[in-house]
Amino acid sequence: DTEVTQTPKHLVMGMTNKKSLKCEQHMGHRAMYWYKQKAKKPPELMFVYSYEKLSINESVPSRFSPECPNSSLLNLHLHALQPEDSALYLCASSPKEGNTEAFFGQGTRLTVV
Amino acid sequence: KNQVEQSPQSLIILEGKNCTLQCNYTVSPFSNLRWYKQDTGRGPVSLTIMTFSENTKSNGRYTATLDADTKQSSLHITASQLSDSASYICVVSLLSGGSYIPTFGRGTSLIVHP
Repeated sequence: DTEVTQTPKHLVMGMTNKKSLKCEQHMGHRAMYWYKQKAKKPPELMFVYSYEKLSINESVPSRFSPECPNSSLLNLHLHALQPEDSALYLCASSPKEGNTEAFFGQGTRLTVV
Repeated sequence: KNQVEQSPQSLIILEGKNCTLQCNYTVSPFSNLRWYKQDTGRGPVSLTIMTFSENTKSNGRYTATLDADTKQSSLHITASQLSDSASYICVVSLLSGGSYIPTFGRGTSLIVHP
């Protein structure tokens, strides 16, 4: 299994809603990442988890809250988002943090209304 | 200034033709350089990965080259197909704060016309 699975594929939420994005991999990877990608722009790193501990937080607003319940799962909890947060949210994993090949999920297309 | 620069920004070619995409990076040391293909609205898919000691790596019709001295990489696509239409992203793992952080180029948008 060389897949990173993200759910849901599409999400529309209001600015007062609370929702969660989920990411799962069963490759035994110990580093997992959240990226945000706006149209026609490269992915921007948000968070890095290494061995289930938050390793990097790229000054992301607190309305985004990551969680890594175990080595296979990575969640991104969303609360009180703004319309400008609408984007493609990508999850990735790699055997170790940073220096090896990352496998990406297909992303969650988020629209905040 | 972005540490990973890609050119051209966009490229249109006819089906069956070859093309070469460029990636220049300005910071070292780096761990590896990767090329990804990203279809619109989908996650990136890895094409090649090279360490600083490798000069070339092929994956089917895709061939990547790396010159660590000049800090340049290229992705050559042979006999292009309509399905090659996508964004091609160069990613360099750069050392930052004790960790290797993937740093993305802005990508080259390739359109293959029949």
